[in-house]
Amino acid sequence: RKEVEQDPGPFNVPEGATVAFNCTYSNSASQSFFWYRQDCRKEPKLLMSVYSSGNEDGRFTAQLNRASQYISLLIRDSKLSDSATYLCVAYNNNDMRFGAGTRLTVKP
Amino acid sequence: NAGVTQTPKFRILKIGQSMTLQCAQDMNHNYMYWYRQDPGMGLKLIYYSVGAGITDKGEVPNGYNVSRSTTEDFPLRLELAAPSQTSVYFCASSYAHDPGANEKLFFGSGTQLSVL
Repeated sequence: RKEVEQDPGPFNVPEGATVAFNCTYSNSASQSFFWYRQDCRKEPKLLMSVYSSGNEDGRFTAQLNRASQYISLLIRDSKLSDSATYLCVAYNNNDMRFGAGTRLTVKP
Repeated sequence: NAGVTQTPKFRILKIGQSMTLQCAQDMNHNYMYWYRQDPGMGLKLIYYSVGAGITDKGEVPNGYNVSRSTTEDFPLRLELAAPSQTSVYFCASSYAHDPGANEKLFFGSGTQLSVL
């Protein structure tokens, strides 16, 4: 079983749609969680950290459920520029584990 | 600041050849990492370093070696290239490695390596 699992997608949504990604992690000792964004053939870039209380950054909302060991990312009012692969990340003790990513395509 | 600089961007190797992937950062980060990313897979940690002179194995270290003689540089060495090492390699660095800190990794632009 992979340490961090994501639905690979692809998710194809129209502009303005709301889309949600889920991610599960297997290591209950994981301490910190993140969402990274990766554009095609580019390096990953931090989108946002995920806090236990949930956190929001503009159109993006991240949530963590430690009991069920899953993380979510909600994107509201999708833009064409949101098209990318979104990587879920779980960190524990010098080890940052990446999911394989969920691919999102936002269409006009 | 250039951030994290990786060279080369592309390389084709023959089986059994050796090469070094270069990585340098100018942000005075203590922590540096090497990841590989295979198609449809997440990034897997090869080696990491918490400071000059200190390196440690990650999830997939076999077939690779690293050194960290300075804070800025963290080269990755492939001694006997194999087709299984065909991948995209990313170097990254970060300010801190503390569970309570915002663990932001700064990535280089990647090296596409093919072993034929």
